[in-house]
Amino acid sequence: EAGVVQSPRYKIIEKKQPVAFWCNPISGHNTLYWYRQNLGQGPELLIRYENEEAVDDSQLPKDRFSAERLKGVDSTLKIQPAELGDSAVYLCASTYRGNEQFFGPGTRLTVL
Amino acid sequence: GENVEQHPSTLSVQEGDSAVIKCTYSDSASNYFPWYKQELGKGPQLIIDIRSNVGEKKDQRIAVTLNKTAKHFSLHITETQPEDSAVYFCAASNGGYQKVTFGTGTKLQVIP
Repeated sequence: EAGVVQSPRYKIIEKKQPVAFWCNPISGHNTLYWYRQNLGQGPELLIRYENEEAVDDSQLPKDRFSAERLKGVDSTLKIQPAELGDSAVYLCASTYRGNEQFFGPGTRLTVL
Repeated sequence: GENVEQHPSTLSVQEGDSAVIKCTYSDSASNYFPWYKQELGKGPQLIIDIRSNVGEKKDQRIAVTLNKTAKHFSLHITETQPEDSAVYFCAASNGGYQKVTFGTGTKLQVIP
């Protein structure tokens, strides 16, 4: 069984540029999470989807971050415009009916 | 909201020795405590978890203990092996994986 797939694995951009990350969860997993992990810290939840509905986006900086999961399968997280402080690893995770949470390898974003 | 503190931030042990990582949490409503292992370039992977109705849980060389009164929980790894070297995160939640708050991580190095 394939795990959670994320792309790209690495991204380097100039500040004020837009960037997008893509996640394909494990097949059949209805819940999808986006986390941000700063260097030397634990992951912090940005947004959680139940199927195609964003049920918890309280920690998502909505002035510059947006996300979508149009068909309840894969998801895209976007930052526009990026700031220096957005440099981090962006992790995607998925679960099925509240069972074990599986994480993808993450996208390491560097904003110059 | 929940606050999880984790100690130590780094830990070096000789192969075959035991390693102990300690965490405290602030929200008395938290009832689920997962532990994750994160290897370089990978996402966190669940290694063991414990619920608030249980004081201790063991899985081969790994054990977790929970003291609800003191609001602290610990991870114990016995007979450490070089492949145990990684960053370990504790976490706490009052709603399964929906609201997981991570600690700051412990970098474990097992010296052959």
